[in-house]
Amino acid sequence: NAGVTQTPKFQVLKTGQSMTLQCAQDMNHNSMYWYRQDPGMGLRLIYYSASEGTTDKGEVPNGYNVSRLNKREFSLRLESAAPSQTSVYFCASGTFSYEQYFGPGTRLTVT
Amino acid sequence: KQEVTQIPAALSVPEGENLVLNCSFTDSAIYNLQWFRQDPGKGLTSLLLIQSSQREQTSGRLNASLDKSSGRSTLYIAASQPGDSATYLCAVEGNQFYFGTGTSLTVIP
Repeated sequence: NAGVTQTPKFQVLKTGQSMTLQCAQDMNHNSMYWYRQDPGMGLRLIYYSASEGTTDKGEVPNGYNVSRLNKREFSLRLESAAPSQTSVYFCASGTFSYEQYFGPGTRLTVT
Repeated sequence: KQEVTQIPAALSVPEGENLVLNCSFTDSAIYNLQWFRQDPGKGLTSLLLIQSSQREQTSGRLNASLDKSSGRSTLYIAASQPGDSATYLCAVEGNQFYFGTGTSLTVIP
């Protein structure tokens, strides 16, 4: 039982490049989330998916797109990376009104 | 918009001391409040979740309380140990999840 897994662990991009962050969970959770964590800002919700086939914007969705591929997988795409997107990205999963479980994070640097 | 505040931002205590971490939130329309621990360079680990209808939850040396009407929660850690050193975050679930910026705890041996 791996919980929530994320790939890659580290990534360096140049401004304007694109990439997709992958997330998978094996806990049969309906809900999945993408957050970014920046110093002094705490974690902020980018997008979430309450169930397979649905996605909704969180607090800071601009510059990102998501895909809920199936119940297990939720990907985050940066179409044209900007230095302001340098951050640590966390994926989480859970069931409504119950605990969230987090992945280990992806450290992204955009130069 | 929900605002979640954690005070203090950093705390240093000697081993064995009991301590309290604070979390406050501006909108009382929440479903639950969750406390997490984050070690440097790692993801978040859930410690305790309090449903909006509950007043407190306990797990081992940890006790979390919730006063929804006043928008406050506390995390009580009894008999602190060096292994408790980490950043502690609270999060509230309303229409979305909102996190505080955390309290960085150092327990000195």
